[in-house]
Amino acid sequence: GAVVSQHPSRVICKSGTSVKIECRSLDFQATTMFWYRQFPKQSLMLMATSNEGSKATYEQGVEKDKFLINHASLTLSTLTVTSAHPEDSSFYICSASLSARTYEQYFGPGTRLTVT
Amino acid sequence: AQTVTQSQPEMSVQEAETVTLSCTYDTSESDYYLFWYKQPPSRQMILVIRQEAYKQQNATENRFSVNFQKAAKSFSLKISDSQLGDAAMYFCAYQGGSNYQLIWGAGTKLIIKP
Repeated sequence: GAVVSQHPSRVICKSGTSVKIECRSLDFQATTMFWYRQFPKQSLMLMATSNEGSKATYEQGVEKDKFLINHASLTLSTLTVTSAHPEDSSFYICSASLSARTYEQYFGPGTRLTVT
Repeated sequence: AQTVTQSQPEMSVQEAETVTLSCTYDTSESDYYLFWYKQPPSRQMILVIRQEAYKQQNATENRFSVNFQKAAKSFSLKISDSQLGDAAMYFCAYQGGSNYQLIWGAGTKLIIKP
């Protein structure tokens, strides 16, 4: 099956700094990638959808200037949390699909972000 | 707007027994997909089973099967011969129409009693 990786798996950063999370599709070209945030014991919350070569589409309530998403190639999307604060601490998950209209999304293993 | 409801926050089952997890959804679309995902303690989301709405036949994957009732907008997951490795959060999800996004239920925590 299709494999999606995320790096790092865990990251601790100081308040006010920025941190970048990478999402890679290892054996397929992902036209569309999705970024989710998951709070403890809750479901996934879609943050944004990114299509290769174009600007990401953010969900209502998600600050685009704080959560910068870049989808520069068909195998890589990055999420940068800028000026991180403790309330940004969470579990971030990416998924990738061959196109925006296909049903199949392949999920990365997630990244645990802790802001101190 | 589409919604997905999982009314069971937690379920428990004896090992080797059968358990059914409930999911209902609301949509005005006629063509869509439904999924069950498993999230074990590792937190890696794993696709368990998917159902295309246009297919009347219920999907099955080994010990996992669904009861898809389109008119009732119900999509339950049956796990037969439960194993310790089945312990996880189970999420029901909907994808359809012009919106390619997954709409998620709140999840059901499945506990397997040895």
